[in-house]
Amino acid sequence: GQQLNQSPQSMFIQEGEDVSMNCTSSSIFNTWLWYKQDPGEGPVLLIALYKAGELTSNGRLTAQFGITRKDSFLNISASIPSDVGIYFCAGRNPPFSGTYKYIFGTGTRLKVLA
Amino acid sequence: GAGVSQSPSNKVTEKGKDVELRCDPISGHTALYWYRQRLGQGLEFLIYFQGNSAPDKSGLPSDRFSAERTGESVSTLTIQRTQQEDSAVYLCASSQTGGDQPQHFGDGTRLSIL
Repeated sequence: GQQLNQSPQSMFIQEGEDVSMNCTSSSIFNTWLWYKQDPGEGPVLLIALYKAGELTSNGRLTAQFGITRKDSFLNISASIPSDVGIYFCAGRNPPFSGTYKYIFGTGTRLKVLA
Repeated sequence: GAGVSQSPSNKVTEKGKDVELRCDPISGHTALYWYRQRLGQGLEFLIYFQGNSAPDKSGLPSDRFSAERTGESVSTLTIQRTQQEDSAVYLCASSQTGGDQPQHFGDGTRLSIL
């Protein structure tokens, strides 16, 4: 099925470092979501974005809805070991498409070295 | 419970058997989604319910896959004559009204076809 492109696919960082990842699409979206998935569990919603240019924070996490509406960014500041996991973006097509389907990214696998 | 509940958490079955996976959404959530996640991959949309009707079945990979929902509660995903390529984690999500509402996920059913 259709998927968004996330980058990087995986990253290893040292504890305390900042992390940046992004998600790009060939289509415009009117909603972007960011999720984190731990092993053996379902994805957990981190941040929801509804407006182009919007910048939203949740603790050490900050996400932005790209101006072009074709991309979104997630930053994690001062990473800690429990940040390890897979981060997924998800975007929703404009409402006139008639679908309520979210398209999910391929995921960024984050490993934090203590 | 407060979250989306899926059962069983793990299912191992022989090729050719039928399997039934269950999802209990968050109480009051009218929208329900099924996804498939193959090992190391992103989420693949299967089907979306609004109430007990399914306006979008576009992600079901073959006629061996079907899903039902009773009112605005439990949903079952049935896979007939299972094949080895059906091995994956099947995730269920619900949201308050569909549309732009964020989806909340269960922990999934890990299906292994021998």
